[in-house]
Amino acid sequence: TQLLEQSPQFLSIQEGENLTVYCNSSSVFSSLQWYRQEPGEGPVLLVTVVTGGEVKKLKRLTFQFGDARKDSSLHITAAQPGDTGLYLCAALRHGGATNKLIFGTGTLLAVQP
Amino acid sequence: NAGVTQTPKFRILKIGQSMTLQCTQDMNHNYMYWYRQDPGMGLKLIYYSVGAGITDKGEVPNGYNVSRSTTEDFPLRLELAAPSQTSVYFCASSYGGESYNEQFFGPGTRLTVL
Repeated sequence: TQLLEQSPQFLSIQEGENLTVYCNSSSVFSSLQWYRQEPGEGPVLLVTVVTGGEVKKLKRLTFQFGDARKDSSLHITAAQPGDTGLYLCAALRHGGATNKLIFGTGTLLAVQP
Repeated sequence: NAGVTQTPKFRILKIGQSMTLQCTQDMNHNYMYWYRQDPGMGLKLIYYSVGAGITDKGEVPNGYNVSRSTTEDFPLRLELAAPSQTSVYFCASSYGGESYNEQFFGPGTRLTVL
């Protein structure tokens, strides 16, 4: 059973376009993280959101945690080729062990110049 | 700091062979993890450790073993390799186990079992 569903699975866009990636679940999470993974490398943390409704910005990236802490979104404004990569959401289940992250299936983003 | 290092980068095994994937971190992190990543499936936790001498199973531990004799090292052992173990393996570490702790990942080991 996949607890974290990400959509879309694949996204190919032109430089300058905007996009939104979603991470959804029926479970409640105490926090949620977004990672980006480039080919041949391990994931790198972008942000952690912990409060329902929280919005965090990282340059052109905007992250939001759902009010009920069951879902999250990542919005990229004016995408650039350097944004290309696999975006993974990861969450700690509410009330579960403190050190086991559940990863989503990932969204593979390709930004064409 | 080198961060999290993994060796080897690539390996091809025959069915039934065994091998050890090495993982070392120099950040003095207590927590270490092993994940496997299959296409379209995200990362699945195999084993984790909260400190030297302490290990526990993750989501997909069958066919694997780990040990944690030092804070720095967390090797993953595959006994009797099977084609289903073809995957990319990532080692990670974190300072603590709280939800806000960042996990730092190594570059991965790409394993093929034929």
